[in-house]
Amino acid sequence: AQKVTQAQTEISVVEKEDVTLDCVYETRDTTYYLFWYKQPPSGELVFLIRRNSFDEQNEISGRYSWNFQKSTSSFNFTITASQVVDSAVYFCALSDNTNAGKSTFGDGTTLTVKP
Amino acid sequence: DAMVIQNPRYQVTQFGKPVTLSCSQTLNHNVMYWYQQKSSQAPKLLFHYYDKDFNNEADTPDNFQSRRPNTSFCFLDIRSPGLGDAAMYLCATSSLVGRVYFGPGTRLTVT
Repeated sequence: AQKVTQAQTEISVVEKEDVTLDCVYETRDTTYYLFWYKQPPSGELVFLIRRNSFDEQNEISGRYSWNFQKSTSSFNFTITASQVVDSAVYFCALSDNTNAGKSTFGDGTTLTVKP
Repeated sequence: DAMVIQNPRYQVTQFGKPVTLSCSQTLNHNVMYWYQQKSSQAPKLLFHYYDKDFNNEADTPDNFQSRRPNTSFCFLDIRSPGLGDAAMYLCATSSLVGRVYFGPGTRLTVT
């Protein structure tokens, strides 16, 4: 069975601070996908990143960066110089390598960025 | 440029009155998914279609059914909505191992 744990339920930061959202997963699959999604108050799930389990390179996209460590089953997400528009619920998700959309989601972390 | 469209965005139905939610896609993906997301919870997969093959999650209640008449459209039918079925329903598509695209969701209220 797959499991995703996002231990941080809520995080509050002041604008321009860096913030890291933690994600720890469990799976018996040897190959799998990991995802991060952003869900603003409107409710739509916005795709941020997909990572294959065999690709452990860290990823940077603008102010966003991801640290994937297979040894600790973690896939953490860092926002650098946070902005008010980053306020949202962030979900980490896991799927096997045969069906990317059949995902198990973590419970989400609510990020509030204050001006 | 919307790629996954859900209608309506907000739906109010009465307890026990059947309701249908609609999803369409312009991506020509062969897989379509329905997720249920209750307030302050994670999205939970209800079922998915791989082409015309229907795949139900083991714990999806019988009250929920789905139809996929063609590649572009997929419907979620709730036969007898209860108060506990009030939620956001998210439709998604993918090419099975590609990126997953979510629609904006339909927020269902049961009165």
